[in-house]
Amino acid sequence: EADIYQTPRYLVIGTGKKITLECSQTMGHDKMYWYQQDPGMELHLIHYSYGVNSTEKGDLSSESTVSRIRTEHFPLTLESARPSHTSQYLCASSKSGDGQPQHFGDGTRLSIL
Amino acid sequence: LAKTTQPISMDSYEGQEVNITCSHNNIATNDYITWYQQFPSQGPRFIIQGYKTKVTNEVASLFIPADRKSSTLSLPRVSLSDTAVYYCLVVGNNAGNMLTFGGGTRLMVKP
Repeated sequence: EADIYQTPRYLVIGTGKKITLECSQTMGHDKMYWYQQDPGMELHLIHYSYGVNSTEKGDLSSESTVSRIRTEHFPLTLESARPSHTSQYLCASSKSGDGQPQHFGDGTRLSIL
Repeated sequence: LAKTTQPISMDSYEGQEVNITCSHNNIATNDYITWYQQFPSQGPRFIIQGYKTKVTNEVASLFIPADRKSSTLSLPRVSLSDTAVYYCLVVGNNAGNMLTFGGGTRLMVKP
């Protein structure tokens, strides 16, 4: 099973701050993903990456940005946080190939005051 | 991406077998059927995946009829700790194996 880590687990911060959510995986997976999930609601894909230097936007528009400089690392950044960014952010990774399952971290619960 | 339909919620009692059915009428030839489990404040956890017929692992069984337009996740002898949301997804090698999560099935296991 893939090991995928997200930090911080919880973050409460004021409006206007720059935030970076970290995601790292140790299984050498090519593909990585960021999802956003509000409490009791569906997950929505906001970013994904096929590999190093590859990033694409998902089906839910997001003001966040991502980078993929190393295979194992896929950080998400909000340049200026707003209360509307309050949500849970989940990172996942998978191998390449048909139907490869995604392995998820436990998420970062972000609250913007 | 194939759309899936599953019950919004189900109740069960400890020790019972639970079967959650999912329909995916427009599944494509190279799509796999995948089930995830999610507890509150955690990320989804992969449970089982299949292409056709029956797949069994230490956690669950997955039954897929020949036409693959539906599938049934079977959880044997559930316990209170199986209370969670269960998601059925269909995934192929499209644009990076992107997953489209629906609302899932909220399973409540009672004592």
